[in-house]
Amino acid sequence: DAMVIQNPRYQVTQFGKPVTLSCSQTLNHNVMYWYQQKSSQAPKLLFHYYDKDFNNEADTPDNFQSRRPNTSFCFLDIRSPGLGDAAMYLCATSRALTGGQETQYFGPGTRLLVL
Amino acid sequence: SQQGEEDPQALSIQEGENATMNCSYKTSINNLQWYRQNSGRGLVHLILIRSNEREKHSGRLRVTLDTSKKSSSLLITASRAADTASYFCATDSSGSARQLTFGSGTQLTVLP
Repeated sequence: DAMVIQNPRYQVTQFGKPVTLSCSQTLNHNVMYWYQQKSSQAPKLLFHYYDKDFNNEADTPDNFQSRRPNTSFCFLDIRSPGLGDAAMYLCATSRALTGGQETQYFGPGTRLLVL
Repeated sequence: SQQGEEDPQALSIQEGENATMNCSYKTSINNLQWYRQNSGRGLVHLILIRSNEREKHSGRLRVTLDTSKKSSSLLITASRAADTASYFCATDSSGSARQLTFGSGTQLTVLP
């Protein structure tokens, strides 16, 4: 089945130690997104790729970066995780169509714990 | 700032009852979507309603959209314990065709 896969499901890292979260998709969608979601809050968009075109949200900290080496894979790099970066990180994909945003397909998320 | 605000923040009902959740938004949209999130999981798309539509059905789900009031409602009929989840509305502002902004969510608990 076509899907969005995130690995690992749970990630534990130490304060200040770089960490990378992975996302892959078999939907062949040209847009990929990374969201941060803290407990009982709405998902917050960090950035998205439209094909290879990177789009950063204005309030995304510099500590967060992303790579998309090909259509199928996208990575979220946190250079120096702080305690406040502990959250669920959600990857999503969509097709870019004219006339408005279409459905986004989400992975199961990676829960990051910072010790 | 969040585009969508939902109410109630939490809703608890008995199995078999109907659940209604409301969403308000601020700017013009192309469409509005509802998503469901089980605890500790990713979001699952439920239904999309376009700005020129007023009502849409999918199984036990009924969504309405009132663009003059900038509001939408999600009705789940004959609720089941398995419907327990958080429900989010999401809007795309017509100036940004590739992004959704999520509301604050409603936590629905269906008691068996």
